[in-house]
Amino acid sequence: QLQLQESGPGLVKPSETLSLTCTVSGGSISSKDYYWGWLRQPPGKGLEWIASVFYTGTTYYSPSLKSRLTISVDTSKNQFSLSLNSVTAADTAVYYCARLQFLEWYQFDYWGQGTLVTVSS
Amino acid sequence: DIQMTQSPSSLSASVGDRVTLTCRASLPISTYLNWYQQKPGKAPKLLIYGASSLQSGIPSRFSGSGSGTDFTLTISSLQPEDFATYYCQQSYSAPPYTFGQGTKLEIK
Repeated sequence: QLQLQESGPGLVKPSETLSLTCTVSGGSISSKDYYWGWLRQPPGKGLEWIASVFYTGTTYYSPSLKSRLTISVDTSKNQFSLSLNSVTAADTAVYYCARLQFLEWYQFDYWGQGTLVTVSS
Repeated sequence: DIQMTQSPSSLSASVGDRVTLTCRASLPISTYLNWYQQKPGKAPKLLIYGASSLQSGIPSRFSGSGSGTDFTLTISSLQPEDFATYYCQQSYSAPPYTFGQGTKLEIK
């Protein structure tokens, strides 16, 4: 059974960089059938897609966050990572990693449990 | 970006009811529409993909329909575990993958 697990600091200071890693187990991140992505959900609000990466390193970013984002993949560790710089309180959210199946419909079919990141001094 | 609008924002219903949730896209998206269920403190769970295909392991009381701009998620007979928030998501003009604001389904 595929599992995804987010890890990283739960508290980040304003203007600093938020860094998260997603570890994939029970399957290979190097599959040609899937992208891997990050999404977030501010407290009490809806879902927002942030970025996606293919095992080859091809990346896609949310236009509204692109200037502050970096997503990367480490196939040797079966992990992918997110970096968001110059954070503000508006970046406080639960961050999810997820698998994006793109055989036909592009759906997020497996999700991590999510990790709350709070931006505060 | 394509905007997704869900209605209603919240809905009260009873166990055993048949309920229909609606999602509308700001532009036609064919059937590139997915539905997710989210319970408090949990990650979203994929229910329906491609507007009408049931994800593996999801009960058959869930069904989806629609194409173009208007879509529905129907729960044929509500069970206690179905009370949650439901999100639609388009993947036609993506990235970015955009979600609706959610419909919260509450117990009457």
